[in-house]
Amino acid sequence: AQKITQTQPGMFVQEKEAVTLDCTYDTSDPSYGLFWYKQPSSGEMIFLIYQGSYDQQNATEGRYSLNFQKARKSANLVISASQLGDSAMYFCAMREAATGGYNKLIFGAGTRLAVHP
Amino acid sequence: NAGVTQTPKFQVLKTGQSMTLQCAQDMNHNSMYWYRQDPGMGLRLIYYSASEGTTDKGEVPNGYNVSRLNKREFSLRLESAAPSQTSVYFCASSPRDEQYFGPGTRLTVT
Repeated sequence: AQKITQTQPGMFVQEKEAVTLDCTYDTSDPSYGLFWYKQPSSGEMIFLIYQGSYDQQNATEGRYSLNFQKARKSANLVISASQLGDSAMYFCAMREAATGGYNKLIFGAGTRLAVHP
Repeated sequence: NAGVTQTPKFQVLKTGQSMTLQCAQDMNHNSMYWYRQDPGMGLRLIYYSASEGTTDKGEVPNGYNVSRLNKREFSLRLESAAPSQTSVYFCASSPRDEQYFGPGTRLTVT
């Protein structure tokens, strides 16, 4: 069975500092993908970053980077230079191996990040 | 380009009533999905559709039916609503890897 674990229910960080949100996963599929989504208080789900299991380099998107450690089965999200607008729930998700041209995501329980001025 | 749209945004139903949640995407994606999000939890997949004319069950399909009307539209129907179906429902579409979500429908069943 596939599983995503986010062990930090809540985190806080000072504005302009970096923060790491933890995510570990469990799968027996050799081909998978890992995602991070942001959910602000308004409720929408915003795609942040994606890492494929065969990607050699860690994914980066602006202030977001994904620290992918395949042997440890971890895919931590690093947010650099935190901003007040980063306060939100953050979800880690994993894609099952794509078959039939589609993919299914399994989500973790989320981490609530609070950025303090 | 509206992305993924959902209607309605809010709905209150009485136990036993039926309703259909509508979802449409204008990104020409083949795959579409319905999720529910309960308090303190991540999203759980209800049903998905790989392409027009195909649907399949996800993690929590009981009590729901879906229709992939065409490539753009994917609806979720509750035939006889139950209080356990009180949740926020998200529709998503995907070109391949990442999924793009609609704004959600907050459903309360009393």
